Amino acid sequence: GAVVSQHPSRVICKSGTSVKIECRSLDFQATTMFWYRQFPKQSLMLMATSNEGSKATYEQGVEKDKFLINHASLTLSTLTVTSAHPEDSSFYICSATHWTGSSYNSPLHFGNGTRLTVT
Amino acid sequence: DAKTTQPTSMDCAEGRAANLPCNHSTISGNEYVYWYRQIHSQGPQYIIHGLKNNETNEMASLIITEDRKSSTLILPHATLRDTAVYYCIVRANTGNQFYFGTGTSLTVIP
Repeated sequence: GAVVSQHPSRVICKSGTSVKIECRSLDFQATTMFWYRQFPKQSLMLMATSNEGSKATYEQGVEKDKFLINHASLTLSTLTVTSAHPEDSSFYICSATHWTGSSYNSPLHFGNGTRLTVT
Repeated sequence: DAKTTQPTSMDCAEGRAANLPCNHSTISGNEYVYWYRQIHSQGPQYIIHGLKNNETNEMASLIITEDRKSSTLILPHATLRDTAVYYCIVRANTGNQFYFGTGTSLTVIP
């Protein structure tokens, strides 16, 4: 089955620094990738949608200048949390799909998440 | 926004069938219903999806009502490893997004 790899699985950083999280599709071309954030005991919240070669589309309330998303290739998307603060500590999860315009019948494939702790 | 409602939690005895309900009364005609589960501190795992017909795979069965306003995920013989949060998702047909609701926390009891 389709595999999405996310790296790192855990990261601890100091307040004010930036952190980059990578999401790779290992055996398929990911035309579309999604980034989610999950706080403890809560559901996944969609942050943004990125299409390869295009600017990401952010959900309402998500700061695009704080959460920089790059999707420069069909197998890699990155999320950079800039000037991280303790309130950015969360579980970040990516997902990917090969979108053909009629792919509502195809599941999204999720990475295993990145636990970010900002001290 | 999520278009589904699920019970917050359920218990199931090991070896018995687990039936997880989901309401999606505002679903549109061409929107699919997807089920995922999430074990603690992992990414969501795909289980099954369907449009109108009932579906079955090696993990579970999906029963969708004729009016498509609700569905039930059935794990035929629950094991302790099935303890997880189960999410029922209606995939948006105006884009490609999956919006997660609150899910059902299933606990399989020995």
